[in-house]
Amino acid sequence: AQRVTQPEKLLSVFKGAPVELKCNYSYSGSPELFWYVQYSRQRLQLLLRHISRESIKGFTADLNKGETSFHLKKPFAQEEDSAMYYCALSSGGYNKLIFGAGTRLAVHP
Amino acid sequence: ETGVTQSPTHLIKTRGQQVTLRCSSQSGHNTVSWYQQALGQGPQFIFQYYREEENGRGNFPPRFSGLQFPNYSSELNVNALELDDSALYLCASSLAAPGESTEAFFGQGTRLTVV
Repeated sequence: AQRVTQPEKLLSVFKGAPVELKCNYSYSGSPELFWYVQYSRQRLQLLLRHISRESIKGFTADLNKGETSFHLKKPFAQEEDSAMYYCALSSGGYNKLIFGAGTRLAVHP
Repeated sequence: ETGVTQSPTHLIKTRGQQVTLRCSSQSGHNTVSWYQQALGQGPQFIFQYYREEENGRGNFPPRFSGLQFPNYSSELNVNALELDDSALYLCASSLAAPGESTEAFFGQGTRLTVV
């Protein structure tokens, strides 16, 4: 069965500390992986996709097929990074997304 | 370009009733997906419409149904409401194609409360 697991409900760090939000998936095939973010009082929006291999707002994520992981990393957290982060998987195109339960990132001054 | 808009924002219904939620897709998008997000959970895929045809369905019973119109706006209908249907319902539109996933643009959601 296709599944996305985000083991941490809450990740609390201080400004300037490194951040790693974990995401593991189960899928038999070649999935597309995404990170979506929801800032306070805003709608869910795309942060990055594994196929674009970009760094967005200082965040990067590498797809590790051996470990079936797609962890989100940032070397130095900022207060404005505080938000809800969702890892998502798409299979077969068309943007049919399977989401994890989400991790709330709280960055303290 | 206009974004994805959903109506109504909030809704209270009684168990057993029927409800229709609406979504206006972003201009030029041909795909709309609906998600249910229970409190403290990630969004769960309900179903998707691609060029007015249902194109995949999640693990939801038949009392969840939908439509996509020629202008690519969409409806989600839920019959025989149950208390567990209380959730935030999200609509997401995209310009998608077979075997290809692109960015999905989400609406602000409709908060449904069933009492």
